[in-house]
Amino acid sequence: GNSVTQMEGPVTLSEEAFLTINCTYTATGYPSLFWYVQYPGEGLQLLLKATKADDKGSNKGFEATYRKETTSFHLEKGSVQVSDSAVYFCALKTGGAGNMLTFGGGTRLMVKP
Amino acid sequence: GAVVSQHPSWVICKSGTSVKIECRSLDFQATTMFWYRQFPKKSLMLMATSNEGSKATYEQGVEKDKFLINHASLTLSTLTVTSAHPEDSSFYICSAREPSGPTHEQYFGPGTRLTVT
Repeated sequence: GNSVTQMEGPVTLSEEAFLTINCTYTATGYPSLFWYVQYPGEGLQLLLKATKADDKGSNKGFEATYRKETTSFHLEKGSVQVSDSAVYFCALKTGGAGNMLTFGGGTRLMVKP
Repeated sequence: GAVVSQHPSWVICKSGTSVKIECRSLDFQATTMFWYRQFPKKSLMLMATSNEGSKATYEQGVEKDKFLINHASLTLSTLTVTSAHPEDSSFYICSAREPSGPTHEQYFGPGTRLTVT
């Protein structure tokens, strides 16, 4: 079956530090990969996605590259801000319309000024 | 972009009562909606898949008689927590999936926090 593993948090960084949140996956077929962000008290928002190997998703300074050889989709940002404090979920989806998202456990990021 | 709303955003109810949560896709028609439950500091747990005009498909371990799902139109799905107990207190999130497109994108609602006293 499909599964997603994320590094456990919380991750605490100072403002302007470099961020990496690791994500690895197990899937049948060729999944699409996603990062979602959840700000306190809110639902999930799609941050970025990649649909095939070697694709790089990017948004708001965040990037993640679909690495098929290492089955990974690590999230990176060069300089975090306090406003980036949130919970980040890695997720995958295989197949077409019939398949659902499989989420990782989430990683809480805390950025201090 | 596509917008999904939930109502109410938070609700407090007494043990034994029922509470209904609405999920609406505001600018697209969603033949499929999903209901998730999120425990504190935990990931999302898929509860059920709701298809317009048919019965919902529940995940293993989710009581269908306790969590009633109705998807009466292409823009509205409802989750009713019946005979609520304190252990039902949680954050409930819905998502709606685009009916077409290469990745059938899912859009998430802002969530509903349920507290059962």
